[in-house]
Amino acid sequence: LAKTTQPISMDSYEGQEVNITCSHNNIATNDYITWYQQFPSQGPRFIIQGYKTKVTNEVASLFIPADRKSSTLSLPRVSLSDTAVYYCLVGVYSGGGADGLTFGKGTHLIIQP
Amino acid sequence: GAGVSQSPSNKVTEKGKDVELRCDPISGHTALYWYRQSLGQGLEFLIYFQGNSAPDKSGLPSDRFSAERTGGSVSTLTIQRTQQEDSAVYLCASSLDSSLAGEQFFGPGTRLTVL
Repeated sequence: LAKTTQPISMDSYEGQEVNITCSHNNIATNDYITWYQQFPSQGPRFIIQGYKTKVTNEVASLFIPADRKSSTLSLPRVSLSDTAVYYCLVGVYSGGGADGLTFGKGTHLIIQP
Repeated sequence: GAGVSQSPSNKVTEKGKDVELRCDPISGHTALYWYRQSLGQGLEFLIYFQGNSAPDKSGLPSDRFSAERTGGSVSTLTIQRTQQEDSAVYLCASSLDSSLAGEQFFGPGTRLTVL
């Protein structure tokens, strides 16, 4: 299983760019990297997904180096409402099963005014 | 549009009783997942369905846990002879296609408390 390691918590301020890095040293060739956001008392919500290099959408960017052993979620100009737990998920759903659906403990991001 | 729904939202039971948790996925989603989240912890994968079959049951914590899915839609997670350590939020998610680590849409969860 491709296990992931993330910082337990991070602090930042409104308007700043926040980068959260996830380590996944034994990522497999077919594995995708997906990030989810979770607010208290809610289920996680998809943010972004990538396989290699850089992916950008309306809310975030995902940077994946060539060796794919880590990935960095970048949140531009955060606001108080970005305070949440962020999970890095590495895995693939092959024809036979769900390999490596490992969410880990996530990173608790706290945004201050 | 309708998202993933779960019922009940809260369930309090006594140790030793059986419980059933229900998940209604988004219409048309072929893949369905069950997770467990203990207080302050990450998500623990339990089981995944592709259609009505479960290719991967490796996450079920013990033989007291079972799940089924009928008609490629509704799924039920059953916990027999509940124990206090089963207390957690049980989350269900669905996705259009499981073949490419597709985006999972999560329900609000069922909070299970075993006294």
